[in-house]
Amino acid sequence: KAGVTQTPRYLIKTRGQQVTLSCSPISGHRSVSWYQQTPGQGLQFLFEYFSETQRNKGNFPGRFSGRQFSNSRSEMNVSTLELGDSALYLCASSPYSKDLGTGELFFGEGSRLTVL
Amino acid sequence: SQQGEEDPQALSIQEGENATMNCSYKTSINNLQWYRQNSGRGLVHLILIRSNEREKHSGRLRVTLDTSKKSSSLLITASRAADTASYFCATDLDSSASKIIFGSGTRLSIRP
Repeated sequence: KAGVTQTPRYLIKTRGQQVTLSCSPISGHRSVSWYQQTPGQGLQFLFEYFSETQRNKGNFPGRFSGRQFSNSRSEMNVSTLELGDSALYLCASSPYSKDLGTGELFFGEGSRLTVL
Repeated sequence: SQQGEEDPQALSIQEGENATMNCSYKTSINNLQWYRQNSGRGLVHLILIRSNEREKHSGRLRVTLDTSKKSSSLLITASRAADTASYFCATDLDSSASKIIFGSGTRLSIRP
């Protein structure tokens, strides 16, 4: 079974630009979560999607948005990039169940964004 | 803000020794998990313990959970060089099981 795939793995942007990151979850997983990891703030929850619906959102400005498609693939977008957006963006999928909740997260290798 | 705080922030031990990391959290949880991250890579799930469990084992890993103290510990026995990594606890709030929050992490270094 293929793991979680994130693309691109590395990218460099300049301030003011926008970026779209993609995540393909493990087959059969309908829950996809996104996290931002920086040395200063650690792992911060961005949002979680399930069956194309955003169920939860972290404390990030509206420049951060996401969506999920009918095949469970997900994208996140950051508009008007700032220097502080430089981070490792991690996507994780999960076989969500009502009994266990989100349960175990399966992470991709991340997309490392550098904003100059 | 982060739900969990790990202690210590960094730990350096000799290969073969045991490593203990602690996690404290703030609110009631549905379950607690531990993850490992090698430098700059994705996180790998280690173990999940439910709020009604007190102890769980998986190979060289032992996790305890004390819901009255809102704390958990991860013990790695007979450490190996390959255990060098950052370790994170993660909790999902019982009021919203679709949101998993990670702690600040413990950086573990194993000296040969």
